[in-house]
Amino acid sequence: DADVTQTPRNRITKTGKRIMLECSQTKGHDRMYWYRQDPGLGLRLIYYSFDVKDINKGEISDGYSVSRQAQAKFSLSLESAIPNQTALYFCATSDLWDTQYFGPGTRLTVL
Amino acid sequence: SQQGEEDPQALSIQEGENATMNCSYKTSINNLQWYRQNSGRGLVHLILIRSNEREKHSGRLRVTLDTSKKSSSLLITASRAADTASYFCATDEGGTYKYIFGTGTRLKVLA
Repeated sequence: DADVTQTPRNRITKTGKRIMLECSQTKGHDRMYWYRQDPGLGLRLIYYSFDVKDINKGEISDGYSVSRQAQAKFSLSLESAIPNQTALYFCATSDLWDTQYFGPGTRLTVL
Repeated sequence: SQQGEEDPQALSIQEGENATMNCSYKTSINNLQWYRQNSGRGLVHLILIRSNEREKHSGRLRVTLDTSKKSSSLLITASRAADTASYFCATDEGGTYKYIFGTGTRLKVLA
């Protein structure tokens, strides 16, 4: 089984809808991250969490919110989706030696 | 704004040749990492170099770090078709464990 899983893997939704992307990990890491990837722009950090009670904004947090339900679970929500949030979203965890482990990604399309 | 900028944006070489890609960054760092991404998939960690290291090897990979120039290079020796992927550098901005990724180098290795 994969160490970092993301659900759903693909999602098509409409403008204005609320969307939740979920991430689970079995690596036992405290640090978790959400990124979005757009063509030609690399990955941009949305939110990160160093433990259940520590959540921080990244470069592009506007329009997004997160919830760290447990050490193993970190969810990303789009409260009211808009077309320019169409992107590939990745969850990642990080160990004490700073290596990041990525999930397979969620391809989100907002119409 | 992007912390890391990779150069070149795209690189095409023949199998067996060496591939060199470069990364520049803006702030102080604890470490710099290189990741590989196969088309549309999650990123895979390749190698990490800490700010007090100047060179590191892992198999066919060689990474250098010049903190005075805020730059790093990744060398892949004796490239193979399977090395075809995008390569990203990532730095922890200001030593905060908040990772910022570059825009990536797209490497194509021709058989």
